[in-house]
Amino acid sequence: EIVLTQSPGTLSLSPGERAILSCRATQSVTSRYLAWYQQKPGQAPRLLIYGASNRATGIPDRFSGSGSGTDFTLTITRLEPEDFAMYFCQQYGVSPQTFGRGTKVEIK
Amino acid sequence: QVQLVQSGAEVKKPGASVKVSCTASEHPFSSYDIHWVRQAPGQSLEWMGWISIGNGNTVYSQTFQGRVTFTRDTSATTVYMALSSLRSEDTAVYFCASGTHFGSGGDAFDFWGRGTKVTVSS
Repeated sequence: EIVLTQSPGTLSLSPGERAILSCRATQSVTSRYLAWYQQKPGQAPRLLIYGASNRATGIPDRFSGSGSGTDFTLTITRLEPEDFAMYFCQQYGVSPQTFGRGTKVEIK
Repeated sequence: QVQLVQSGAEVKKPGASVKVSCTASEHPFSSYDIHWVRQAPGQSLEWMGWISIGNGNTVYSQTFQGRVTFTRDTSATTVYMALSSLRSEDTAVYFCASGTHFGSGGDAFDFWGRGTKVTVSS
């Protein structure tokens, strides 16, 4: 199965700063089938990005995804207070679909 | 807007079984898949498999093969996840999820239930 490694484990930033989150796969992700989710404590994950770079419905344009092959990035420009949360990447190009271990974006 | 409503929290003893339900409404597709994903305390997400609402076909992750069963009711709006031979490591929140963005190995999930907490403890 494809293992996804997210880095850093924790990102300490201030509101208004830019966050760059990385997701690296052990093998190429088919057709850029890579998604990003945001999760807050006690809640279900929320889909942010699918197909590596497509924003899901209702997601603000400060969230953007990029990458291909084995290296993918989620960028959050100008962090808002509600953006401090856990972020997971998921590949759904090869079964079994798998998730990364997450990056926590915390307030500095 | 799609809603996935799950059954309530469960507490089970080791060796027992648990059955969690997920009722879907207002899905944009007449035939779609419901996936099950679990999250142990403080851990990442783990995909368990899926069931087709349309024809009841199932696919299970090898990790859970032989221990998990997905079923649906005759109205095909409620699906069930049954997990047997429970052990403490099965303590987790179990989510049902569905999506409209399909890949060659699964889906990206637009819609999630709120999760069902299953605690396995003697």
